[in-house]
Amino acid sequence: EAQVTQNPRYLITVTGKKLTVTCSQNMNHEYMSWYRQDPGLGLRQIYYSMNVEVTDKGDVPEGYKVSRKEKRNFPLILESPSPNQTSLYFCASKEPGGTQYFGPGTRLLVL
Amino acid sequence: AQKITQTQPGMFVQEKEAVTLDCTYDTSDQSYGLFWYKQPSSGEMIFLIYQGSYDEQNATEGRYSLNFQKARKSANLVISASQLGDSAMYFCAMREPGFQKLVFGTGTRLLVSP
Repeated sequence: EAQVTQNPRYLITVTGKKLTVTCSQNMNHEYMSWYRQDPGLGLRQIYYSMNVEVTDKGDVPEGYKVSRKEKRNFPLILESPSPNQTSLYFCASKEPGGTQYFGPGTRLLVL
Repeated sequence: AQKITQTQPGMFVQEKEAVTLDCTYDTSDQSYGLFWYKQPSSGEMIFLIYQGSYDEQNATEGRYSLNFQKARKSANLVISASQLGDSAMYFCAMREPGFQKLVFGTGTRLLVSP
C-alpha cells in the first residue's frame, strides 16, 4: 500500500529535550515536506526537500532542522523544543504531477 | 504571494443533500493547481480532488466536484448526496509555482446531520 508514515503519532515532552519525528514514504517520490497545523492558521510549511541532500526552508523553519540522506526518509528534528512548537505536524510527499500525500500526523505537546 | 480564503468557518447539511464549500484564491501566476483535502476528527489529511488552472473542465471524483470559475478566482467544492462520514474539516489549497509547497486556507468544518 502506497503511504506516508510518521512516528510517533503522539508525543509529550518537556522544554529543551531534543526530539525527532520520523517520516518515511514508499512511493519513490523525490519531493518531501513538513507542515505544522495550528488552530485558525491552516497548514504552514516548515521545510521541504526537492531530492536527496537538497533541503530548503519553508514559511516557519525557526526551531526546526531536517535531513534527507535517503529518498524515502525525511526526519524532522527539534533540537530544543519550546511550548510554541506544540502543534500537529504532517509529513508529505509529492508525486511528479503535483498531488501531495500526507502522513497521519504527529501531535506534539511541549510542556 | 498566493493566498487562499475560505470564508465559511462552519457549514451544516442534512444527509443526502448537496453542499458547496467556498474557496477563493489570489495569485498573479497563470499556471497553478488547486486542491481540496478532508481532515476527519482522527486528524489525517485526505486528498479529495485536484484542478489545474489550464483544465477546461471541472474536476470530478465520485461525489466530489470542483466548481472552477477562473475569472472569479474561485474553486468551490461540491459534495453531492452528503453522508454522515463527510463530517470533517475541509481545506482548500493552492500549489505554488515551482511545486515547492501548498498554500492552505483556514478550513471549513462541515457537519452532516441525519
